[in-house]
Amino acid sequence: GEDVEQSLFLSVREGDSSVINCTYTDSSSTYLYWYKQEPGAGLQLLTYIFSNMDMKQDQRLTVLLNKKDKHLSLRIADTQTGDSAIYFCAERGSSGGSYIPTFGRGTSLIVHP
Amino acid sequence: NAGVTQTPKFQVLKTGQSMTLQCAQDMNHEYMSWYRQDPGMGLRLIHYSVGAGITDQGEVPNGYNVSRSTTEDFPLRLLSAAPSQTSVYFCASMDTGSAKNIQYFGAGTRLSVL
Repeated sequence: GEDVEQSLFLSVREGDSSVINCTYTDSSSTYLYWYKQEPGAGLQLLTYIFSNMDMKQDQRLTVLLNKKDKHLSLRIADTQTGDSAIYFCAERGSSGGSYIPTFGRGTSLIVHP
Repeated sequence: NAGVTQTPKFQVLKTGQSMTLQCAQDMNHEYMSWYRQDPGMGLRLIHYSVGAGITDQGEVPNGYNVSRSTTEDFPLRLLSAAPSQTSVYFCASMDTGSAKNIQYFGAGTRLSVL
């Protein structure tokens, strides 16, 4: 089946930029997503990008998509302790009319002072 | 709007007991799903439903049953709990009328099976 891979941990210092990377295998992906899970809570959509875009910026967040390499990244500028969370990459393909997204295993972002 | 509501938030069961995890959404979404989250494993899809009366299996369906009698509710039943079912369970719904297909998650049910 289709696969989404991301590293499990990232540690950064407060005020630095964080870059979380993700690779996927489904070449028919239409939308790619970043979800954020804070401790003890469910996942919430952070941002998404449509497959015909290569960059999307939203305040401190920058999403870069390299469709040729099937690589997605999330950059958080000026990382704060409140950004500590698990970040999930997800993709939705277009084959077979399936709505089911495929999630990565999540990257735990640890922000220390 | 309350969004997706899961009850209970915490539950401890003994091996062999049965229980139902409740999930309700008030956004009139057709698509609903159940995931389990285990350390280092990410989210694994248990069952999903594309509308009332229709359910299907996900990646890890064994030991779980679902039904979808209304658009709002999608309960998950554990028929005979096992320690391997200790996990955090998330219910999600999705607006399939929008091409973006964003999922909305509940806060989770933390289940321990002793």
